[in-house]
Amino acid sequence: GENVEQHPSTLSVQEGDSAVIKCTYSDSASNYFPWYKQELGKRPQLIIDIRSNVGEKKDQRIAVTLNKTAKHFSLHITETQPEDSAVYFCAASNNAGNMLTFGGGTRLMVKP
Amino acid sequence: NAGVTQTPKFQVLKTGQSMTLQCAQDMNHNSMYWYRQDPGMGLRLIYYSASEGTTDKGEVPNGYNVSRLNKREFSLRLESAAPSQTSVYFCASRPGTSGSGEQFFGPGTRLTVL
Repeated sequence: GENVEQHPSTLSVQEGDSAVIKCTYSDSASNYFPWYKQELGKRPQLIIDIRSNVGEKKDQRIAVTLNKTAKHFSLHITETQPEDSAVYFCAASNNAGNMLTFGGGTRLMVKP
Repeated sequence: NAGVTQTPKFQVLKTGQSMTLQCAQDMNHNSMYWYRQDPGMGLRLIYYSASEGTTDKGEVPNGYNVSRLNKREFSLRLESAAPSQTSVYFCASRPGTSGSGEQFFGPGTRLTVL
């Protein structure tokens, strides 16, 4: 089955700096890669996703890049703000499975 | 729309007790999922249902059973709770019956087994 690894497990940045979280996956058939944000005590919520026919996708301060050859994808957050502080999860899925496999999560702390 | 709802929000059980976690969605979604979240281990899939009347095992199904009662409701049952099942349980749903796409999560149930 699919295995998703996520790094780093914790990340601390100054407000205004950029943050990068990286994930690798094992199943070459995976073609959908979402990122979820989970604030403390809340439910996970999708912030951005990318499909394998696209190499990069942006939404305001958030971007995701995908390298299918190397089987890794990354989340980039620019101009970080204190409200970006949360746990971020990457995940991978393929069309056949109807399932998501999640990485272990990254706790991002943005210091004012 | 309430989205995905879960009951109860919190529960404390003794080892060996049984209970059912309830999940309902009002978005007319076909697929529903049960995950558990343990510290440092992300979300792990327990069971899922691609449509009414079908269920499939996920990554960690042992010790659990599920019922897809109708299109709206998907319940998770612990027949004989163990301390290792202490976790936060999330239900999720998505529109399709196959393929991939955004999953919408419920607020979670925090379960402690003593």
